[in-house]
Parts: sequence; C-alpha cells; structure tokens
Amino acid sequence: GAGVSQTPSNKVTEKGKYVELRCDPISGHTALYWYRQSLGQGPEFLIYFQGTGAADDSGLPNDRFFAVRPEGSVSTLKIQRTERGDSAVYLCASSLTGQPSTDTQYFGPGTRLTVL
Amino acid sequence: AQSVTQPDIHITVSEGASLELRCNYSYGATPYLFWYVQSPGQGLQLLLKYFSGDTLVQGIKGFEAEFKRSQSSFNLRKPSVHWSDAAEYFCAVAPYNNNDMRFGAGTRLTVKP
Repeated sequence: GAGVSQTPSNKVTEKGKYVELRCDPISGHTALYWYRQSLGQGPEFLIYFQGTGAADDSGLPNDRFFAVRPEGSVSTLKIQRTERGDSAVYLCASSLTGQPSTDTQYFGPGTRLTVL
Repeated sequence: AQSVTQPDIHITVSEGASLELRCNYSYGATPYLFWYVQSPGQGLQLLLKYFSGDTLVQGIKGFEAEFKRSQSSFNLRKPSVHWSDAAEYFCAVAPYNNNDMRFGAGTRLTVKP
C-alpha cells in the first residue's frame, strides 16, 4: 500500500516568509510525528500527534513553528517568519497506534526547505 | 535527558567483510533502542528495535544488534556486508513507553568492491 507522503519535496523561500509543509500518513495510522534533520545530523523530534491532538510538542523550537492535524489524518507544519537557520529536511512519520512498545514509525521521504 | 552517541562519522568496509556500527546511549533507565537506515532519496527505514527480553535482536536485511546494559551500548552488526548496504545508519533511543525518540548523528557506511 501507499507509504507516508510529503509535499512539496523541495521548498525554497526567502527569509521572513511563511511556509506550510504537508504530510499524508499511512491510512488508518492514528499517530503522526514531525522531525527536522539538519545537514550532517540525525532527525530531531518536533511534535507528536495522537489523532487530532498534539500529545507532545516539546520539540518545537519556538513559537514560529506550529502544526495541525484537524481531521486526524493529514498534518501541516507551519513556519512563520522563516529564518536561514530553519533550512533543513523536515520528516514526517506515522504509526498505527502510537504505542512505542509495539509500534513502528514509518517515515516519509521528507521536504527539503531552503531559506535564502 | 536521554542522548545518543555514534562515535564513528564514516566507516568504509569491503564487500563481504563484517560490520559493526557503534552506538552508546545516556539514560537513567533502560530505554527503547532502535537502528534505522537512510539511503539517498529514501525515507528512514527501521532495521530493528529493542524493548525488553533477549538482548540480541535480529532485524531485517541480515542485521542484528546487542544491548549491553553495563556498557550502555547497542551496537549494530552484520556478518557479511553487501554493496547495497551503503547508506547512513542512525541509532535512536526513546524513554520507556514514550514516543520522544532521540537520534544519533549517524554513521555513513561506504562499501568498497
């Protein structure tokens, strides 16, 4: 079946602009995760959704970052007033139940964000 | 807070040789431990995970990892490397029953013919 998809695959924007990154999880997966991967680094946890609600948003770096999942499926990561330091690959993952002891997170290919 | 260290940034092995990628973690209790592989243009793929029980974990693609509590390590091994194993490998840790997964910086594996 279809895996996790992310759009766009690449996004180039100018400093100070607003961007939205979209994630389509695997159908039926209740848990959804956002990560940020900077060059030469491992993924960094941003936020975790269980259904429509953000169960853990402790990884969001500041209030310029916000994510929603209004119907418990598709999620959008929103970044306001982008800065050059926001340039990274943004990864989305989903899992069936969100139970870490039994679940597996399936990752999408990522959106590469470049802030000029 | 939990953290993960992958001491080797880049490793080169010959095809057919054995492989061991190191991972050390810092956490107060026994965490959940994972190894992921990331190939160019591909999403992260789970190789194996440890939650409890047998400390030697078998994964996909012929990989295994051993949890050693006394050394706070979870090293990844493969007895015979194939050219298709060239990729970036990430170790990750999550607290018990928690989805806050922390990744190491990764080890890039190059396979020589």
